[in-house]
Amino acid sequence: SQQGEEDPQALSIQEGENATMNCSYKTSINNLQWYRQNSGRGLVHLILIRSNEREKHSGRLRVTLDTSKKSSSLLITASRAADTASYFCATASYSGSARQLTFGSGTQLTVLP
Amino acid sequence: EAQVTQNPRYLITVTGKKLTVTCSQNMNHEYMSWYRQDPGLGLRQIYYSMNVEVTDKGDVPEGYKVSRKEKRNFPLILESPSPNQTSLYFCASRPPGAYEQYFGPGTRLTVT
Repeated sequence: SQQGEEDPQALSIQEGENATMNCSYKTSINNLQWYRQNSGRGLVHLILIRSNEREKHSGRLRVTLDTSKKSSSLLITASRAADTASYFCATASYSGSARQLTFGSGTQLTVLP
Repeated sequence: EAQVTQNPRYLITVTGKKLTVTCSQNMNHEYMSWYRQDPGLGLRQIYYSMNVEVTDKGDVPEGYKVSRKEKRNFPLILESPSPNQTSLYFCASRPPGAYEQYFGPGTRLTVT
């Protein structure tokens, strides 16, 4: 089942600008993760934020989580052409005894040089 | 280098011809999983395995089989592929106690 929904579906910005992507989900979670996928490649884990955290930073990435609104945002500051990729949020919860990830449909980010 | 590998990377086949996509990881991870990615649908889980000889269905298991005879390998088997299984397939593994997953490079399958 698809839990996360990213918004916007596609985003195009100029190099140096900030990019913000949003993710909404439906059920309670243990944590939320963001992944990047370059065209035709596998997903790469970027950052994880736990349900009891509100904000987390990693380099040029800033993630926020609002569990009351069941939403998260990913901010990429000072974007570069190399940031062009699809970005997916994934919510993590327990299913039986397994930690399971449920992915959204992704935001395609294009950074123009 | 720690990695998840998949073979083949590209495959074109015909309806009904059995095929296997291999997945191998060299990180001694117990958990492995298969996903398919389709436009507008994100990644959907097909099957996962908590450890050797332990497998379970994900969200879209119909038409697929898996086996886990060794910790490092988790092949995906399509006994009788159909055109609706045309997709991009990813294998992933996860360290014990963690949530983040490591993905293979993907296998693009076309069934005609």
